[in-house]
Amino acid sequence: NAGVTQTPKFRILKIGQSMTLQCAQDMNHNYMYWYRQDPGMGLKLIYYSVGAGITDKGEVPNGYNVSRSTTEDFPLRLELAAPSQTSVYFCASSYLSDSRVGRDTQYFGPGTRLTVL
Amino acid sequence: LAKTTQPISMDSYEGQEVNITCSHNNIATNDYITWYQQFPSQGPRFIIQGYKTKVTNEVASLFIPADRKSSTLSLPRVSLSDTAVYYCLVGDKGNDMRFGAGTRLTVKP
Repeated sequence: NAGVTQTPKFRILKIGQSMTLQCAQDMNHNYMYWYRQDPGMGLKLIYYSVGAGITDKGEVPNGYNVSRSTTEDFPLRLELAAPSQTSVYFCASSYLSDSRVGRDTQYFGPGTRLTVL
Repeated sequence: LAKTTQPISMDSYEGQEVNITCSHNNIATNDYITWYQQFPSQGPRFIIQGYKTKVTNEVASLFIPADRKSSTLSLPRVSLSDTAVYYCLVGDKGNDMRFGAGTRLTVKP
């Protein structure tokens, strides 16, 4: 298994440009998450999904959009890039079921380092 | 959402046992306690998870008192490669959990 993969690894954007960060997992996990991490800080949840076709906002959703058309993929879209979106973006996935209530164990991708100039 | 408090940083020496305590006074009945480790330029990695009493795996031990208002991650005989940031999370689903600033552990030779 490749686990959680993210592309690209690095990207530089100009203010106002748009881009999509790709995330895929091959573990048949139902939950997927997008986080951002600013230097020296913890991770902040942007969006999450509990299954294909279902997404919801996290702590810091403004300026981002997501979709989940398949179990495997969870792309993150930036429509109008701003310098405040300069950060490292991590995608994660986990499997939760009724028998595993509470026991969320997330697997993280390697991250995408985004700079907006 | 349960709020967690943990020390910002800790120093240790190789071969010592390190204990990192996390406070979570408003933990809910369904909440589990989960610890992650993060190295620079990498995503967090799951270390250990527990609900009550003691949990041990090949990497660490997790001690949770009866009132569950705190927990202690114990790393036996640390090495330089254990230098990382350690996060304590409390919740029953990932979207209910929050990564704080974590504890930056520095292991010295």
